[in-house]
Formats: sequence, C-alpha cells, structure tokens
Amino acid sequence: AQSVTQLGSHVSVSEGALVLLRCNYSSSVPPYLFWYVQYPNQGLQLLLKYTSAATLVKGINDFEAEFKKSETSFHLTKPSAHMSDAAEYFCAVSARNSGNTPLVFGKGTRLSVIA
Amino acid sequence: KAGVTQTPRYLIKTRGQQVTLSCSPISGHRSVSWYQQTPGQGLQFLFEYFSETQRNKGNFPGRFSGRQFSNSRSEMNVSTLELGDSALYLCASSLGGNDVNEQYFGPGTRLTVT
Repeated sequence: AQSVTQLGSHVSVSEGALVLLRCNYSSSVPPYLFWYVQYPNQGLQLLLKYTSAATLVKGINDFEAEFKKSETSFHLTKPSAHMSDAAEYFCAVSARNSGNTPLVFGKGTRLSVIA
Repeated sequence: KAGVTQTPRYLIKTRGQQVTLSCSPISGHRSVSWYQQTPGQGLQFLFEYFSETQRNKGNFPGRFSGRQFSNSRSEMNVSTLELGDSALYLCASSLGGNDVNEQYFGPGTRLTVT
C-alpha cells in the first residue's frame, strides 16, 4: 500500500524567497510520484512527476523536486516565490508495477506568499 | 484541445435525495477517475473506469456508483445522500494505458447536501 505525508499544512514565504514543500512517501513497490497544485475553485494541475531514474525532476513555473529513495522523500522547491504561487499543493503517489493504479494524495500544503 | 469538463459545477441537494454528476474527458482519453475532496479527509479515490469497465474501486459505500459510456464520458451517482457527502467531486482523465498516466483534472462539482 502507498501513503503520503506532507509536513506542514500551511507554509508562508515572502515574495522572492525559496519555496520548500515537504513530502514523504511510503510504498511497498517503486513508486511514481507527483506534485499537483490547486487554485481556489479549480481542479488540480500537474506540476511535475517522477517516473524514472532521473532523480531531479523539473516542472512547470520553475518548480522542481528531488526524489531521494534513502529518505523516501520528494520535496518540492522553487528558488523564488511569486504572488501567483499562492495555492494548495498536493503530493501524490501511485504504484509503479500495477498499471494506472489510483493516485494516493497527501493532505495538502497551503502556500501563502507575502508581499 | 479542450480540457476535462464537469457538469454541473455547483449542486445543492437534500438528505435522502440522489444525484448524478457528469464528466467529459479529454478527447482520446479512455480512463476516467473520480475523487472526493473534503476538508477533513482530503482527496480520496472513488473509482476508475476504462473502456466502459470499472477497473479500480476505492473504499466507499455502495451508494456511490458510476458508469462510463462508449464515448468515454462518465457519470457518477450518489443515492440516499447524507450530510457527509458534501464535497468537491473531481474527475480526472488519462490515456489509460498500462504505464504511468498523467491524470488531467476537471474543475470539479461542488455538492452541498442540506
């Protein structure tokens, strides 16, 4: 079974500061890992995904995440926060070897960006 | 290419009623998944349909059901509504093959049960 823990339900950063959102996963098989963003009253948008041996994954809007198997982590970072980054961020995992298995989501982290 | 569309966007129902939500996937996508999002439980998987067959199912009671049509459009139905069914219901579509599939989400249907 897979599970995801997102540390911190709310993170607040200043505009221009580093964004770091933490995600730890648990999986009995090698996982696929995803980060999604949700803006108010909208669905989820895929930021990036980890599916291969490339441990550093680059996504849209300058977000990136690093897969660290030894730490079972997949933290999301962005060098410089922008006001438009304020949203809810979800880390998700699915099993690698079962073909199109459902996504298991973390509880989400709300990112606030202060001017 | 048009995205995933869900109708209606907002819905208010009374306890005991039933409701049907609709999802139209991205053209060419054969898999449709449904998720329930609530403040308390977060995002939870309901079920997934592929080629008109339910392929995966989450841990929800039988009051929650779904179906998929030959054009890949999907509906989900909730019977005998309870207050706890108030949630944002998200539909996601993907190609559906046997490899990692990016899921594209619709804007959701906000269901309020009174």
